[in-house]
Parts: sequence; C-alpha cells; structure tokens
Amino acid sequence: DTAVSQTPKYLVTQMGNDKSIKCEQNLGHDTMYWYKQDSKKFLKIMFSYNNKELIINETVPNRFSPKSPDKAHLNLHINSLELGDSAVYFCASSLGTSGVHTFGSGTRLTVV
Amino acid sequence: SQQGEEDPQALSIQEGENATMNCSYKTSINNLQWYRQNSGRGLVHLILIRSNEREKHSGRLRVTLDTSKKSSSLLITASRAADTASYFCVETSGTYKYIFGTGTRLKVLA
Repeated sequence: DTAVSQTPKYLVTQMGNDKSIKCEQNLGHDTMYWYKQDSKKFLKIMFSYNNKELIINETVPNRFSPKSPDKAHLNLHINSLELGDSAVYFCASSLGTSGVHTFGSGTRLTVV
Repeated sequence: SQQGEEDPQALSIQEGENATMNCSYKTSINNLQWYRQNSGRGLVHLILIRSNEREKHSGRLRVTLDTSKKSSSLLITASRAADTASYFCVETSGTYKYIFGTGTRLKVLA
C-alpha cells in the first residue's frame, strides 16, 4: 500500500492554465505539507496543514491555493500557471512534533 | 538564503569506502534529520538526532551533532552502489518549521 500518494506524476501544461495536484496519505498522520523542489534540487516548504488547519503559509504567490478536505488529503491548486512554476512538487505527511516526514514520489510540473 | 548549507555539494567514492557529508544550519533546532533522495524519487527519512544528543547510529549510518557550531555530519560506512543518491539535512525548529539543506550528491562507484 502506498503511504503518501500524489497524482499526477507528470503534468505538462501551457502558460495561463489552471491545474491541480492531489495528495492522499493512509498513515493516520495529522500534518501534511507541500514542498517545491527546483531545478537545483533546493527544497522549500510551501504550505503545511495540521488537522485540516493551515499552519504554515510561506511566501508563495496567491495563485497557489491548498485545500485540505480532511486529515488524509491535501490538494494543491495552481491558477494562471507561469514558466517559473515548473518544478517538482512533493507532498509529505508527519505525525506529532518530531516532524519525521513521509514523502510522496513527486509531481513533475512542466509549464510550456 | 535561509537554506542550510551542505558540503561537499558532490562526492564520488569507491564501493567499500566511507562517505562523510557535513551540514551547517542556522536556527536553534529541536532536532536535525537526514533524508536520502534517489534520482526521480521522493525523499526517505534516514535518521533523527535531537538537540541534546551528540551522536547517533543506525546500521551503517552515524550522525553527529555539534550545537555550538551549528553543524552536523552524516557518515556512511562501507558504502555500496545502492547508496548513490542525494542526501539532505533538515533543521527542525519551533513548531512545524523545517529548513532543508542544499544537499550532497553522492556517487558510489562499483
């Protein structure tokens, strides 16, 4: 059973489009995250939800909107996609305060 | 940049040799974690060391922590080709605050 699954794995889209990435975890974790990994492999946190409540919202354009319908799901919607949004987006989850993350396998977004 | 620094950026060794990676962090940490990322995959948690610990072992991994210097090192002993990956340190401070290092790309030659 996949612990943290995100879909789609690959996403190629044109500038200006709107797209969504879905994430689900079956670990019973209480916190979920979205990270962006750029072409230099730098990983930066974008959002974090604890028990469906937004707790971290880093400096991210408001074209990015997370949504957590329940503790097991955290989706990412991106409006008006730009070339600079091209990256790999990782979903992750953790339990408690140690913050040990379990990561999904990533969504490679390419904006053309 | 708020990102932690890791060195070296890239490391190439022969199978059987030891690999050492260093991490400099910036905050007052609760704990420091190390993750591995194989090419095209997600990150996998390796080991966590708390701020009041100085050394921790897990299998072929040994992690040290020096809070006075805000640094940590990861040693992989008797490396294998399967250890080829990128390794990231992650400083955990406050509540739900995680800062990833810049990563070390390790290549183990068979």
